[in-house]
Amino acid sequence: EAGVTQSPTHLIKTRGQQATLRCSPISGHTSVYWYQQALGLGLQFLLWYDEGEERNRGNFPPRFSGRQFPNYSSELNVNALELEDSALYLCASSPGHRTQYFGPGTRLTVL
Amino acid sequence: SQQGEEDPQALSIQEGENATMNCSYKTSINNLQWYRQNSGRGLVHLILIRSNEREKHSGRLRVTLDTSKKSSSLLITASRAADTASYFCATDEGAQKLVFGQGTRLTINP
Repeated sequence: EAGVTQSPTHLIKTRGQQATLRCSPISGHTSVYWYQQALGLGLQFLLWYDEGEERNRGNFPPRFSGRQFPNYSSELNVNALELEDSALYLCASSPGHRTQYFGPGTRLTVL
Repeated sequence: SQQGEEDPQALSIQEGENATMNCSYKTSINNLQWYRQNSGRGLVHLILIRSNEREKHSGRLRVTLDTSKKSSSLLITASRAADTASYFCATDEGAQKLVFGQGTRLTINP
């Protein structure tokens, strides 16, 4: 069974640009979660999507947004990038119970 | 906000020894999970313990949960070089949101 996949692996942007990160969940999983892992700040919950709807949101500004498609894959968009947005962005999926299965992450660097 | 706090922040032991990591949290939980992260990559789920359970085993892993003290421990027995990683506890407070601690960096020396 294929795991959670994320693309791209690395992304380099400059301040003010927009970044789009993608995630494909494990087949059969309807929930997708996004987390940010910034240096020194640990893993922070960003967003939870289920059945195409945003269900919960962490303490992040509105320029962090996303969506979930009918095939349950998901996109995370970060607008007006700031230097402190540099981090590893992790996507996880779940079939509905509490265990979340994580992808390898996208490392975003903002210059 | 961080709920779980791991202790110690870093641990270095010899191969074959046992490694114990602790996690404390602040609020009521539905369950507590432990994850492993190798060198800035994705997290691997290790074990989930529910709030009504006190101990759980999985291979060389043993997890305990004390809800009265709001703490959990992860024991890795007979450590191997491949166990070198960061270990995180994560609490599930509901609403499908996991709250992670800062992690323990475990180094196994050959």
